[in-house]
Amino acid sequence: EPEVTQTPSHQVTQMGQEVILRCVPISNHLYFYWYRQILGQKVEFLVSFYNNEISEKSEIFDDQFSVERPDGSNFTLKIRSTKLEDSAMYFCASSGYRVGYEQYFGPGTRLTVT
Amino acid sequence: AQSVTQPDIHITVSEGASLELRCNYSYGATPYLFWYVQSPGQGLQLLLKYFSGDTLVQGIKGFEAEFKRSQSSFNLRKPSVHWSDAAEYFCAVGAGGSQGNLIFGKGTKLSVKP
Repeated sequence: EPEVTQTPSHQVTQMGQEVILRCVPISNHLYFYWYRQILGQKVEFLVSFYNNEISEKSEIFDDQFSVERPDGSNFTLKIRSTKLEDSAMYFCASSGYRVGYEQYFGPGTRLTVT
Repeated sequence: AQSVTQPDIHITVSEGASLELRCNYSYGATPYLFWYVQSPGQGLQLLLKYFSGDTLVQGIKGFEAEFKRSQSSFNLRKPSVHWSDAAEYFCAVGAGGSQGNLIFGKGTKLSVKP
């Protein structure tokens, strides 16, 4: 069964460093998403991506964040200068060809900023 | 604004007992509703979804959920819980807009007693 994959599973970085989180969505999906879950809190939407551009983004997704689909398979989230409060589990998701279709999530990348 | 409330943070049931996890949503139009499950160290797995039509929806692993518009609820049920159902359960609503990002509840942690 197709699945969303994410690498790395755990990333430790120092404050101020740049990190890139990687995702491989399900191959025939067209909509891509990033969410994050701070420990003990709810899963929060960051950004959606379609047709090689950002479709929607939340207030959390400020200038420190960027997304890219550098090739036909990968979807990345870059945090330019990490802060302690960026420590969270980051989930990538993808969905099929229609708005509102169910989203399939990857296993997540746990980012720890020290 | 759209929101999802899961009033129970933690529920413990005995194996073989029935289960109902509560979810209330706030949304202006007919919502897209989802239940996801997250096992420790795993990503979010889709259990079931409601888009339209029959208000009782069946999902994987023997789960079902009922959409009640009058109560703005989408409660998850299972007639007989198995020890492997111990996990965290998240209710989510499609936020609308052009790409349909999800808004999640805070989750309900399910423990299963032998």
